[in-house]
Amino acid sequence: SYVLTQPPSVSVAPGKTARITCGGNNIGSKSVHWYQQKPGQAPVLVIYYDSDRPSGIPERFSGSNSGNTATLTISRVEAGDEADYYCQVWDSSSDHPVVFGGGTKLTVL
Amino acid sequence: QVQLVQSGAEVKKPGASVKVSCKVSGYTLTELSMHWVRQAPGKGLEWMGGFDPEDGETIYAQKFQGRVTMTEDTSTDTAYMELSSLRSEDTAVYYCATPQEYSGSYYDYWGQGTLVTVSS
Repeated sequence: SYVLTQPPSVSVAPGKTARITCGGNNIGSKSVHWYQQKPGQAPVLVIYYDSDRPSGIPERFSGSNSGNTATLTISRVEAGDEADYYCQVWDSSSDHPVVFGGGTKLTVL
Repeated sequence: QVQLVQSGAEVKKPGASVKVSCKVSGYTLTELSMHWVRQAPGKGLEWMGGFDPEDGETIYAQKFQGRVTMTEDTSTDTAYMELSSLRSEDTAVYYCATPQEYSGSYYDYWGQGTLVTVSS
């Protein structure tokens, strides 16, 4: 099945920009979705279809997808953004259509 | 707005089965495509299976085939996930999740999670 690769951890100072990558073979041809998960809570959708934001998600969250890498960008990082972030794709051609990346722990220094 | 409310934590012995429920409100179950995702302690999200509206069938991750059964009771708008032959590695939080759009490819809504502990 399709494999998504994320860095285990990313650290950023408050007010700076965090970039979390999600690598996959020709991932630019797929739609990528991103979830934020804080300890003890269910995941929350923060980006869908590469770059769309659900209502209620701050504009500081943005996404892009091209080639073999999708990126979640968090601008003006706040302490409350510290969480695990997961990318996800739906590979309709596969018998295992839903694939998650391994997750990235975002630490706000 | 969809709300998904799951059943409470379970403790099971190895070899037993567990059945987790997910009660839908705000929509009817027939309007949704319910999926199940689990998360072992300290680990990432793992898709177990769900309803594929293109085929009209429930599909399971190969890893769980033969051990997992996902069913729905439309009279009560409740989805169920039953996992059998439990082993310690099945200790995890189990989530139901659904797109808002019937054929959506991402999960707008998640249940609160159900912790299943497998221990002798």
